[in-house]
Amino acid sequence: GENVEQHPSTLSVQEGDSAVIKCTYSDSASNYFPWYKQELGKRPQLIIDIRSNVGEKKDQRIAVTLNKTAKHFSLHITETQPEDSAVYFCAASIKPRYSTLTFGKGTMLLVSP
Amino acid sequence: GAGVSQSPSNKVTEKGKDVELRCDPISGHTALYWYRQSLGQGLEFLIYFQGNSAPDKSGLPSDRFSAERTGGSVSTLTIQRTQQEDSAVYLCASSDLAGVRPDTQYFGPGTRLTVL
Repeated sequence: GENVEQHPSTLSVQEGDSAVIKCTYSDSASNYFPWYKQELGKRPQLIIDIRSNVGEKKDQRIAVTLNKTAKHFSLHITETQPEDSAVYFCAASIKPRYSTLTFGKGTMLLVSP
Repeated sequence: GAGVSQSPSNKVTEKGKDVELRCDPISGHTALYWYRQSLGQGLEFLIYFQGNSAPDKSGLPSDRFSAERTGGSVSTLTIQRTQQEDSAVYLCASSDLAGVRPDTQYFGPGTRLTVL
């Protein structure tokens, strides 16, 4: 089955810096890659997703890039703010064959003022 | 509108007891998922329900785990003869496969299960 590796496990940055979280996947058939943000004690929420027919997607300060050949995708957060502090999870799936997601183990992002 | 809800929010039980965890998905969502989140780990898929199709149980870790979804809405995850390694947060999610964003899973707040 699919395996998703996520790095780093923790990431500390200063407010205003950029943060990058990287994930690799094993199944070349995977074609859907969402990112979820989970604040402390809260439920995970989708922040951005990308499909394999697109190499990059951006939404304000958040962007995701995908390299199908290398089977990795990354989350980029620019101009980080303290409220960006949370655990971020990447995931992969094969659409429309499967609806279930295989998640990475998460990255705890800490943004210091 | 109302999001996914789960109950109880916390459950403490003794080893060997059975527990039931409940999930109320967003009204109209045909797909329902259960995940387990252990400390420092990602979300581990357990089981998936979609409409009237047979559920995908491929993620259930043992036969002590079972789940049902009645009337295509509420779901109950049952863990029999609980073990300490079952301690985790159990998250439920739902999605509207016929909607504008069929791939987005909306999560509930989770049930924190502690097995003593």
